[in-house]
Amino acid sequence: KNQVEQSPQSLIILEGKNCTLQCNYTVSPFSNLRWYKQDTGRGPVSLTIMTFSENTKSNGRYTATLDADTKQSSLHITASQLSDSASYICVVTDKTSYDKVIFGPGTSLSVIP
Amino acid sequence: DAGVIQSPRHEVTEMGQEVTLRCKPISGHDYLFWYRQTMMRGLELLIYFNNNVPIDDSGMPEDRFSAKMPNASFSTLKIQPSEPRDSAVYFCASSPTGTPEKLFFGSGTQLSVL
Repeated sequence: KNQVEQSPQSLIILEGKNCTLQCNYTVSPFSNLRWYKQDTGRGPVSLTIMTFSENTKSNGRYTATLDADTKQSSLHITASQLSDSASYICVVTDKTSYDKVIFGPGTSLSVIP
Repeated sequence: DAGVIQSPRHEVTEMGQEVTLRCKPISGHDYLFWYRQTMMRGLELLIYFNNNVPIDDSGMPEDRFSAKMPNASFSTLKIQPSEPRDSAVYFCASSPTGTPEKLFFGSGTQLSVL
């Protein structure tokens, strides 16, 4: 069964600190992996997409990595800001069902002053 | 573009009443998705359309739920009769041809069934 797991479930960090969120998936064959950010009371917004051949991709202070062999991805946030407080959702697309995506449960991040 | 527009933003209703949620996708997007989000189950796909045609409704929990897309710019999700366990945030998302997995979400409808 295709699954996406994320860890930790929740995380609290001090403003200015770095953090790393993890995503493990069993989706095969794999098409791509996206990280979404969901602010409270809003819909998720795509941060970055990783395809099979990509290992690292950055979007400002966000850096995503992908190891397609071990089926793991991480999202690293550098110099966190209060506005980074949100839920971060890992989403994997199954290559056989290109127009269907599998959502992880999300990691809730709280950045405190 | 204003993005995906959903209405109402909040809906409070009594058990047994009919609820209709509305969505206007981004112009030019060929895919439209309805999701339900709860703390326990996260985001769940209910149904999605491609070019106004329902492709997969296997996520619709039961016959009380129905969705329509009469044209490219409008979709509805109806619950009749509503039950307290339907309380959740319902999101509509659209995506363009070529990258159907790049979802653009609306702000959601917070549904509370009392």
